[in-house]
Amino acid sequence: QITLKESGPALVRPTQTLTLTCTFSGFSLNTDEVGVGWIRQPPGKPLEWLADISSSDFKWYSPSLKTRLTINKDTSKNQVVLTMTNMDPLDTARYHCVHKLYGYGEKGICSWFASWGQGTLVTVSS
Amino acid sequence: SYELTQPPSVSVSPGQTARITCSGDTLPKQFSYWYQQKPGQAPILMIYKDNERPSGIPERFSGSISGTTATLTISGVQAEDEADYYCQSPDRSGTAVVFGGGTKLTVL
Repeated sequence: QITLKESGPALVRPTQTLTLTCTFSGFSLNTDEVGVGWIRQPPGKPLEWLADISSSDFKWYSPSLKTRLTINKDTSKNQVVLTMTNMDPLDTARYHCVHKLYGYGEKGICSWFASWGQGTLVTVSS
Repeated sequence: SYELTQPPSVSVSPGQTARITCSGDTLPKQFSYWYQQKPGQAPILMIYKDNERPSGIPERFSGSISGTTATLTISGVQAEDEADYYCQSPDRSGTAVVFGGGTKLTVL
């Protein structure tokens, strides 16, 4: 059974840096065709993808947020850490950690978010 | 920036068929994915690679693609299917992930 659990501060001040940790079980980031990512959802709004990291340590970031995001993994601890700098009240959202799978098909290489953590609500306010 | 367009809402009576569309100009070349999100819960993967269903997802959920439009079809809708549904696909570069704006399915 795959589980993912997010941890981090519930309240962050504007301009501060947010650090979120995803601790997962049921899979290993040493396995090919596996990754972990972060997706957020502001209250009442749609999902927004933030970043991914693969088992090969390839990293992908949202183009609109890439200057503020850093994603890293600690395979020995089964953890992935996301940092977001210069937090703003518009960054208030539930942040979800996700288990990503890679595959192949007639359209080439593909990937999808197979399992999701419940998320952690982060409020940005002074 | 690249966008996937979904209708904000779809309503259907129990037992009927619901169709939720997702439009994007890269969909002929990129796979589409669908997620269900119920209030207060994390999203669940319902369809991957346009039309494949993960284990445990009921057969009444199916996906299809035609040109630049992906469709999630729910046959014989049940009250428990009332939820928000999101489509997802890569952007034009193929390296970034894009979600549609979501469709609220209401079971009348």
